[in-house]
Amino acid sequence: GNSVTQMEGPVTLSEEAFLTINCTYTATGYPSLFWYVQYPGEGLQLLLKATKADDKGSNKGFEATYRKETTSFHLEKGSVQVSDSAVYFCALLNNDMRFGAGTRLTVKP
Amino acid sequence: GAGVSQSPRYKVAKRGQDVALRCDPISGHVSLFWYQQALGQGPEFLTYFQNEAQLDKSGLPSDRFFAERPEGSVSTLKIQRTQQEDSAVYLCASSRRDRVYGYTFGSGTRLTVV
Repeated sequence: GNSVTQMEGPVTLSEEAFLTINCTYTATGYPSLFWYVQYPGEGLQLLLKATKADDKGSNKGFEATYRKETTSFHLEKGSVQVSDSAVYFCALLNNDMRFGAGTRLTVKP
Repeated sequence: GAGVSQSPRYKVAKRGQDVALRCDPISGHVSLFWYQQALGQGPEFLTYFQNEAQLDKSGLPSDRFFAERPEGSVSTLKIQRTQQEDSAVYLCASSRRDRVYGYTFGSGTRLTVV
């Protein structure tokens, strides 16, 4: 079946630190991959996406590359800000959208 | 509308009470999805509509859960005889027919069963 595994949190970083949140997936066929972000009390917002192997999604300084050979879609940001504090979800779209359990990121000033 | 609108934002129900949660998707989005998000977890799929047709309801946890979208726009998720384990945030999302652009989520309804 289709599933997503992402690194467990919580992750706590200082402002301007480098961020990596790991995500791996299991799927049949050629899924699309997404990162969503959820701020407190809000729904999920699409952060970035990639629809085929070797695509790189990017937005607001965040990046993730669709790696078919390692079935991964790790999220990275070179310099995090306090405003990046949120829960991040990796997701896979095949027949339907499947989400990882989420990784809570806290950035301290 | 400009976004996916869900109401109410918060609902407290006594155990055994019936509740109805509303979702108003983005205009023109043919696909509509309901998810359940337990505290500290990722969203879990409940059901999917394409226009008015409910194409997949495999995620509904019991026959107390029922969803409809009679005119292919607004959808209602109904939970009968609520139980404490139904407490969660219920998220609605909509998308174009070509779902590779991702889903647009509403802010959710937080249901607390006491």
